[in-house]
Amino acid sequence: GAVVSQHPSRVICKSGTSVKIECRSLDFQATTMFWYRQFPKQSLMLMATSNEGSKATYEQGVEKDKFLINHASLTLSTLTVTSAHPEDSSFYICSAESGGAMNEQFFGPGTRLTVL
Amino acid sequence: AQSVTQLDSQVPVFEEAPVELRCNYSSSVSVYLFWYVQYPNQGLQLLLKYLSGSTLVKGINGFEAEFNKSQTSFHLRKPSVHISDTAEYFCAVRRTKAAGNKLTFGGGTRVLVKP
Repeated sequence: GAVVSQHPSRVICKSGTSVKIECRSLDFQATTMFWYRQFPKQSLMLMATSNEGSKATYEQGVEKDKFLINHASLTLSTLTVTSAHPEDSSFYICSAESGGAMNEQFFGPGTRLTVL
Repeated sequence: AQSVTQLDSQVPVFEEAPVELRCNYSSSVSVYLFWYVQYPNQGLQLLLKYLSGSTLVKGINGFEAEFNKSQTSFHLRKPSVHISDTAEYFCAVRRTKAAGNKLTFGGGTRVLVKP
């Protein structure tokens, strides 16, 4: 199956700093990538849909100025958490759509962000 | 809009016993249905999916699910679980056909397999 990677897998940062998370589709081109946030023992919450070469579409309640998404190529999308605070600590997961007949989404392994 | 309800937040089960995880959905349009598994501190892995055709879908690791349109359900089953099946399971739906359609997830069911 198609492979999606995320980097870093874990990151710890100080409050007020910015953190960039990368999502890559390794063996296919992804016109659409999705960013999710998952709190402990909860389901995935979609944050935004990222389309290559255009602005991301954010879900209601997600601050676009705080969670900057860039999808500069067909294999890379980045999520930057700006001026991070402890409440931003979470598990962030991306997925990439293969664009095949059924447009299946493939998920990355996730990034654990801890803001001190 | 779509919504997904997983009726059981936790399911304890003994090793080699059968397990069923319930999933009901609501949608005004046709949807595809999915079951994913998540092991601790990992992303999601697709177990199986229903797109069309036979309502009984077989997936990886011995799991299967049955789509019931009249009851808007997509319950997941495994006849005999292993310790390694301990994980979080998510049911999800998305609108058919169009690209870029987002998945809507249920709240998840935590399966704990006991020896």
